[in-house]
Order: sequence, then C-alpha cells, then structure tokens
Amino acid sequence: EVQLVETGGGLVRPGSSLKLSCATSGFTFSNTWMNWVRQAPGKGLEWVALIKDKYSNYEANYAESVKGRFTISRDDSKSRVYLQMNTLRDQDTATYYCTRLHRSGASFDYWGQGVMVTVSS
Amino acid sequence: DTVLTQSPALAVSPGERVTISCKASESVSTRMHWYQQKPGQQPKLLIYKASNLASGVPARFSGSGSGTDFTLTIDPVEADDTATYFCQQSWNGPYTFGAGTKLELK
Repeated sequence: EVQLVETGGGLVRPGSSLKLSCATSGFTFSNTWMNWVRQAPGKGLEWVALIKDKYSNYEANYAESVKGRFTISRDDSKSRVYLQMNTLRDQDTATYYCTRLHRSGASFDYWGQGVMVTVSS
Repeated sequence: DTVLTQSPALAVSPGERVTISCKASESVSTRMHWYQQKPGQQPKLLIYKASNLASGVPARFSGSGSGTDFTLTIDPVEADDTATYFCQQSWNGPYTFGAGTKLELK
C-alpha cells in the first residue's frame, strides 16, 4: 500500500524558516518523481515544487511564487522528500501535500494527508 | 501559465447525470487530470490523461476532451459524490489547477 506521511508543519513568524518532511512507503521511491502541492485555507490547489529521480539528475523545478525561497530535496536511502522553506510570508500559509507523480501523463496519483503551515506575526 | 477555468458550483439530485467542465487558456493536448476533494481530506485522483479511470475509481466517473475543452461526467450521481472537483494540466509548465467546482446534492 502506497503511503505518504508529511510532518514538520506549525506556526511560524514571517521571515522565518521551516522544513517539511514526507516519509513514503509501498513503492519504489528511488525512480519516482515527487512533488509538493499546497492549498491555502478555503482556496484551490497550487503546485509548489517537483524533484526528479537520479536518472534525471535530481532536477528540481519550482513555482515562481516560491523560487529562491524554497528548496525541495530527497533522500532515496530513507524514501523521504523534503521541503525547506525560507523567508516565509503570510501568503505561504497553507496545507502542504506531498504527492507522487504518475509517470504516465504527470498526474498526482497519491497524496499525503497534508501538513498545516501557518505564517503569522 | 496555463489558466484552467471551471464553473464554481453545481447542484444536482441523486441519480442524475452531471458534467463538470474545465477550459484551458491554451492547448494541453490530453494532459488533463481530475481530482475529487472532500472536506477535510486530501485530493484523490479520479481521471488521468483526460479519459483514463484511476485505480479503484467507480465506473460512474468518466472524462473526455482534448486541446482546451474537457469534461468530467458522473452518471449516476450518488450522495457520496458531494465534493469539490479540480482539473489539473501537465502539458505546459508549470503544472496548474482549476479553481474547483463544488458539487452539491439536492
């Protein structure tokens, strides 16, 4: 059974940092592209970041709204993906979902339960 | 970025057929996917690549379309289908989502 479990959320001040972690199981993590998608309270979904596998040199892509502030990374030995978030802003307040990318067509075929990040003074 | 436009809400009666539309600002070929999100839950993949049913999804759900116009159909609608439905494209970078269509049952 595929499982994605996010941790690391919380309440932080604007300008601070936070690192999210996503533990995965039930599939071959090392050849899977992973993503973070977020959802502000009562709002729609926004793709945040993608990290490809070792065969694609771990290439990372980011939404313009987080480029230069967020860094996605992975540890294939632990089947984990991370999101380092720096210089957080009020508008980064959201539930952050770890998602698996389905190679056929690039849909998000599995989602974690999400972790809440609140940025507020 | 590719903008996906969905109607904000629909209300239907159980047993009816409902179509939810998603219009892209530019062609996305058939790289359109549909998700269902119930309150307090994570989204769930329903349809991938416009018309392919995701694993475990009831055959009441179907998808169609290509280019810029796509449709998710539920037939017949059941009470458990009350949810928000999002479309998402993966043809043009970055990946983008529609704002969602909230489906309510009468």
